[in-house]
Amino acid sequence: DAGVTQSPTHLIKTRGQQVTLRCSPKSGHDTVSWYQQALGQGPQFIFQYYEEEERQRGNFPDRFSGHQFPNYSSELNVNALLLGDSALYLCASSRLRTDTQYFGPGTRLTVL
Amino acid sequence: DAKTTQPNSMESNEEEPVHLPCNHSTISGTDYIHWYRQLPSQGPEYVIHGLTSNVNNRMASLAIAEDRKSSTLILHRATLRDAAVYYCILRPMNDYKLSFGAGTTVTVRA
Repeated sequence: DAGVTQSPTHLIKTRGQQVTLRCSPKSGHDTVSWYQQALGQGPQFIFQYYEEEERQRGNFPDRFSGHQFPNYSSELNVNALLLGDSALYLCASSRLRTDTQYFGPGTRLTVL
Repeated sequence: DAKTTQPNSMESNEEEPVHLPCNHSTISGTDYIHWYRQLPSQGPEYVIHGLTSNVNNRMASLAIAEDRKSSTLILHRATLRDAAVYYCILRPMNDYKLSFGAGTTVTVRA
């Protein structure tokens, strides 16, 4: 049983560009959450998707947007990249009304 | 979000128990106590969670104080693989997100 997968593993962009990160949830999971983890800090919640709708959002600007597809996979889009967007982006999946979130290995984004 | 306080770091010897404290004096009655850990170069991993009663699973035990203002994660026999950052998180019943703090960095000595 494959766990949560994310692509790409690493990504380098320049300021002002746009980026799309992808996540496939664990089999049987219908809910996907995205987190940003800066170096040396704990992950920070960006948003969560369920039934292709954004269900909850953290304190992130509108430059951060997402999408969930009918097969429950998800994308995170970041526009107008800033140097401060450099971080590890983590995807977590879960089943509705369960407590456990399963995290993927993350995508390391570097903005130059 | 209710706040948790954890020590920055702890050291342990291999095959000895590890007791990781977490203070959460502003916890509300519907806040669940979750523990996750993050091994180097990996995403966080669920360890255990509870509401009021002590909990045990194959990875660890969670001891919750009677007033729920503190809890302790217990690793019964530390191995080198248990070296990680451990996060204590309060999750309100109807809240979907996990609010991570800085966590406790656990080092296990061989």
